[in-house]
Amino acid sequence: QSVLTQPPSVSAAPGQTVTISCSGSTSNIASNYVSWYQQFPGTAPQLLIYDDYNRPSGIPDRFSASKSGTSATLGITGLETGDEADYYCGTWDSSRRVGVFGGGTKLTVL
Amino acid sequence: EVQLVESGGGLVKPGGSLRLSCAASGFTFSSYSMNWVRQAPGKGLEWVSSISGPSDYIAFADSLKGRFIISRDNTKSTLYLQMNSLAAEDTAVYYCARGQPYHIMTIDYWGQGALVTVSS
Repeated sequence: QSVLTQPPSVSAAPGQTVTISCSGSTSNIASNYVSWYQQFPGTAPQLLIYDDYNRPSGIPDRFSASKSGTSATLGITGLETGDEADYYCGTWDSSRRVGVFGGGTKLTVL
Repeated sequence: EVQLVESGGGLVKPGGSLRLSCAASGFTFSSYSMNWVRQAPGKGLEWVSSISGPSDYIAFADSLKGRFIISRDNTKSTLYLQMNSLAAEDTAVYYCARGQPYHIMTIDYWGQGALVTVSS
């Protein structure tokens, strides 16, 4: 059972928009930076969004994120088949003093 | 270019020990916090441990119950994870990952991973 809750899977057609939620608590998401990671099978995760809503250089602006209270959301617009991957949210939990990840969301582009 | 290269993975028997290393290059290693994150086969990411740049702050996942030890040698730009009393549930790919000076869990670079298999 992950500390951060993500839907196990989401799906949408190419060109459409999808959102992935990440629900936590006052001791993690609400009080620390949230990052989002993309992971393709057999490869290491890659940073997609950092510090709640910032995109590293090289990440297309089709990827965006927001945070409100104890929840964070990743949005992907103009879906491409190449976006099919697992997506994870992560942050620090100040109360437990541990790092925490969501359980991951598998994105299928139909 | 930032590079993180793990080594030391392999097959170990239950109850055994293993030490992972992560050689860092392309950045001032001592200025960054570092993490170990693991991923069991077919499962999600699991945070294992973090260590600050000067090693004055260390955190571990509760489930490890003191079996693992994280350390770093800033003179060698190398991160370590000593794993003791290994059990089958420790089987995973272990990633070395760079955090930020201001936030340990803002991880911007990951190594390729080291596979640890615990089996008799």
